Amino acid sequence: DTGVSQDPRHKITKRGQNVTFRCDPISEHNRLYWYRQTLGQGPEFLTYFQNEAQLEKSRLLSDRFSAERPKGSFSTLEIQRTEQGDSAMYLCASSPLNTVAEQYFGPGTRLTVT
Amino acid sequence: EDQVTQSPEALRLQEGESSSLNCSYTVSGLRGLFWYRQDPGKGPEFLFTLYSAGEEKEKERLKATLTKKESFLHITAPKPEDSATYLCAVRYGGATNKLIFGTGTLLAVQP
Repeated sequence: DTGVSQDPRHKITKRGQNVTFRCDPISEHNRLYWYRQTLGQGPEFLTYFQNEAQLEKSRLLSDRFSAERPKGSFSTLEIQRTEQGDSAMYLCASSPLNTVAEQYFGPGTRLTVT
Repeated sequence: EDQVTQSPEALRLQEGESSSLNCSYTVSGLRGLFWYRQDPGKGPEFLFTLYSAGEEKEKERLKATLTKKESFLHITAPKPEDSATYLCAVRYGGATNKLIFGTGTLLAVQP
């Protein structure tokens, strides 16, 4: 399978714990994006990378959230001190360098904070 | 402030009953309008990109069109397997590459 992959697919954690998600983009894609989606809503942009550089962050991305893409390949999204409001589907997408290219999404990681 | 609005929120069709979904946007400097399909519990699946008013794209029973203020996704003779949430997204402005999504239209096609 050459699409975007995410791991884990599901994560249940207790409030206050830290969680980390991984995204592997399509191999030739330079750009990688993180979105968050809650029930009945469209995805909301969190941040994006071009190669290893984090070029844009949403104000939705509080200090408890951090994302990395250390070698310009896979990316990780960490949430520290999780809150119940963090429960959502976390989606990763990738695209080639073309500035108007469509983004291809992975299957998502469903986070439930109890 | 809603920049992308989709209607209706939900649509129920009989198999073979054609209809259209609407996506209106209020952004300036549009650099692309995107349609995605999303099945429950899965990530959005890319369908179409439209760049300029008057442009049309087709794929099987789906046809997307674009004007200066809105886009339509026309579904001709739908089948039950077309049931899904259809999301519209826009990219606009100069430097950003983020997509702004609408809330989607939940389509149910009954046999």
